[in-house]
Amino acid sequence: GDSVTQMEGPVTLSEEAFLTINCTYTATGYPSLFWYVQYPGEGLQLLLKATKADDKGSNKGFEATYRKETTSFHLEKGSVQVSDSAVYFCALSDQGNTPLVFGKGTRLSVIA
Amino acid sequence: GAVVSQHPSWVICKSGTSVKIECRSLDFQATTMFWYRQFPKQSLMLMATSNEGSKATYEQGVEKDKFLINHASLTLSTLTVTSAHPEDSSFYICSARAGSTEAFFGQGTRLTVV
Repeated sequence: GDSVTQMEGPVTLSEEAFLTINCTYTATGYPSLFWYVQYPGEGLQLLLKATKADDKGSNKGFEATYRKETTSFHLEKGSVQVSDSAVYFCALSDQGNTPLVFGKGTRLSVIA
Repeated sequence: GAVVSQHPSWVICKSGTSVKIECRSLDFQATTMFWYRQFPKQSLMLMATSNEGSKATYEQGVEKDKFLINHASLTLSTLTVTSAHPEDSSFYICSARAGSTEAFFGQGTRLTVV
């Protein structure tokens, strides 16, 4: 079945450091790919998405590119802030009205 | 994006009582909603898929008599934790899709059973 593997955390960075969180996937079809963010005590918010190969999703300084050849969707940000501290989930969707398949989540802590 | 509202945000109940959690899609119709459970510092565990007008589909290992799901309309699904016990304490999250690619999530409900 479909699966998502993302790097284990926790990740601790200093403010203004460069962030990469790796995500790879396995899917039989051509899934849509997502990054969600969860702040403490809250639900998940969509951060960015890409629906086809070579698409780049971006939002709030975060970027991820759908790489079909490497089945990857790595999340990057050039300069993290303390407010970016959260748990980040990579996910895929194979078709409508089925549950998303999530990675295990990566906890990011940014220190001033 | 679309909004999914989940209520209550937190609830404390006594062991043996039942608790109902509501999940509403505010600006779209959700034929399918999903209920997740999240343990501290862990990922989301899918509990069940809720389909409007029909019975929910439960994941393996989830007790359907313990976690009652009702999807009475295209905008409302409810999860009732029956005869709750301390081991049911957790963070419960609902999400909805309406045929779109992404899923929209409620704010989550922190259930504490004492």
